[in-house]
Amino acid sequence: NAGVTQTPKFQVLKTGQSMTLQCAQDMNHEYMSWYRQDPGMGLRLIHYSVGAGITDQGEVPNGYNVSRSTTEDFPLRLLSAAPSQTSVYFCASSTGQGASGNTIYFGEGSWLTVV
Amino acid sequence: AQSVAQPEDQVNVAEGNPLTVKCTYSVSGNPYLFWYVQYPNRGLQFLLKYITGDNLVKGSYGFEAEFNKSQTSFHLKKPSALVSDSALYFCAVRDAGNNRKLIWGLGTSLAVNP
Repeated sequence: NAGVTQTPKFQVLKTGQSMTLQCAQDMNHEYMSWYRQDPGMGLRLIHYSVGAGITDQGEVPNGYNVSRSTTEDFPLRLLSAAPSQTSVYFCASSTGQGASGNTIYFGEGSWLTVV
Repeated sequence: AQSVAQPEDQVNVAEGNPLTVKCTYSVSGNPYLFWYVQYPNRGLQFLLKYITGDNLVKGSYGFEAEFNKSQTSFHLKKPSALVSDSALYFCAVRDAGNNRKLIWGLGTSLAVNP
């Protein structure tokens, strides 16, 4: 009963380093997304995907890349980490293509600190 | 423009008392409304949603919410609060005519005091 699995849970990066946050879901959901959560700013959408091979930008895509080679996996890549990317990152998925009243399921989060 | 507001950053209630966490929204079409809960250092968990039908929606852990179209509100309620209900609560809305864009509130921190 795994649901949405994110790794790593905690990571400290130096400015300029790159890394990938992994996300996998075992519910055969078409729609997957990445959010960041910052104090006082709620949840902001970084990138999303409506199916394998299809990705699109959300509200705050700069500095992040994504790909969706399979239905299950949706990694988020930080190309050159900056202190402004210190945040908590959540991967999420839902049925359909993110449409209408479908429930979104979240991973447990990845706490990233950039020093 | 679509928006959602949670007017209270924090709500404090005594254990056993009823609780209300407020949410108001603005969309151009019909709304799909959601409540999620986030416990410390955890991901968000779905509580309940309103899509259509009965205005009173019942969800997980004894929570319910009432859709009020005239007041554009979707307040979360529970008749008797538990200390374990202490968490961060998020309201979200999606315009039925704009399927992919889900707008999130900033969250309300609920503290239930023993």
